[in-house]
Amino acid sequence: GAVVSQHPSRVICKSGTSVKIECRSLDFQATTMFWYRQFPKQSLMLMATSNEGSKATYEQGVEKDKFLINHASLTLSTLTVTSAHPEDSSFYICSARGGLEGQGYGYTFGSGTRLTVV
Amino acid sequence: GENVEQHPSTLSVQEGDSAVIKCTYSDSASNYFPWYKQELGKRPQLIIDIRSNVGEKKDQRIAVTLNKTAKHFSLHITETQPEDSAVYFCAASINNDMRFGAGTRLTVKP
Repeated sequence: GAVVSQHPSRVICKSGTSVKIECRSLDFQATTMFWYRQFPKQSLMLMATSNEGSKATYEQGVEKDKFLINHASLTLSTLTVTSAHPEDSSFYICSARGGLEGQGYGYTFGSGTRLTVV
Repeated sequence: GENVEQHPSTLSVQEGDSAVIKCTYSDSASNYFPWYKQELGKRPQLIIDIRSNVGEKKDQRIAVTLNKTAKHFSLHITETQPEDSAVYFCAASINNDMRFGAGTRLTVKP
């Protein structure tokens, strides 16, 4: 089935540094990638949507200069949290669309990245 | 944009009983409604989905119903088991945009 590999699974970084999170579609071409953020005991909040080769579309309230998204190929999208602060600590998860319709209408989630900023 | 509301936020049932989670959506153009189960710290796992041209779908102990007129859809789990304990999210999708409900923490007591 469709698989999305997300790395790293956990990262601890110092305040002010940047962190890059990668999502790769392993056996299909992800025409669209979604990035979500999930705070403890809360729902998944869509941060941005990116289509391969074009600029990401950010949701209202999400700073595009802070959360840099690159979707340079059909199998790789990256989210870079720049100048991270403790309030950016969260669970970040990607979802790729492009898989088989029978498997969730083509939405496949990565395994998530737990970011802790100290 | 689409707004999805989900109720209840927590649900506790006895093993063997049924559990029902309800969601409403705002955009009548939404055409795909998946349900996800998420265990702590893990990715959401699709458990069942339904498209707007179908009113009901069943997969063993799990069923989903969709009322397009009322813009609500529900998840039904029968004969619940302790391993069903998790957080369940509904979602509504229009074009490329998927929005999630707030989630329901289901606890199945043995």
